[in-house]
Amino acid sequence: DGGITQSPKYLFRKEGQNVTLSCEQNLNHDAMYWYRQDPGQGLRLIYYSQIVNDFQKGDIAEGYSVSREKKESFPLTVTSAQKNPTAFYLCASSAGRGGRRYEQYFGPGTRLTVT
Amino acid sequence: QKEVEQDPGPLSVPEGAIVSLNCTYSNSAFQYFMWYRQYSRKGPELLMYTYSSGNKEDGRFTAQVDKSSKYISLFIRDSQPSDSATYLCAMSANFGNEKLTFGTGTRLTIIP
Repeated sequence: DGGITQSPKYLFRKEGQNVTLSCEQNLNHDAMYWYRQDPGQGLRLIYYSQIVNDFQKGDIAEGYSVSREKKESFPLTVTSAQKNPTAFYLCASSAGRGGRRYEQYFGPGTRLTVT
Repeated sequence: QKEVEQDPGPLSVPEGAIVSLNCTYSNSAFQYFMWYRQYSRKGPELLMYTYSSGNKEDGRFTAQVDKSSKYISLFIRDSQPSDSATYLCAMSANFGNEKLTFGTGTRLTIIP
């Protein structure tokens, strides 16, 4: 089955620790995205990558870092500099070209709780 | 003011009713419009994709875009309890980077 996987589903960390969230896709999509979702705020873009070895900051990149060494993988690191890291994190991908490049497909999400 | 406004609800309707969900937006550059359905504690699922103005129908779902009013709608006919979810609108301008701007979502409950 083609799709996007995120792991783990739930993650608990102590304040001050960095944590890395995994995102893998087998859709052969060029573009990948990271969002966070908070109650009442919708989805906000953290980082996105349109091609391997290249990525851009989204609207709320401070305190986060990413890498894109492989087409299939786009891990997100939540650093200790992120002031309010507890949230639901969603990874998405899109074809990145052609008429339907705006269609983004989402993974199941990782719920991160930092105490 | 947010670029995309969406009433968060909650909205409760009886089974079989027609549901109308709406978003308004302020950026006239938006050309691509999407509706996502999100079940509790799950990732959003793409329901409808529309380019520019007009209507698009897929089964019980109809998406409408009125660019002159900066208003988009999603209609659900013969609503089912399985339609109970949060519905998110999303839109994008043709800037070449495929960035989406999302509404906050409307929580819908279909009462059996």
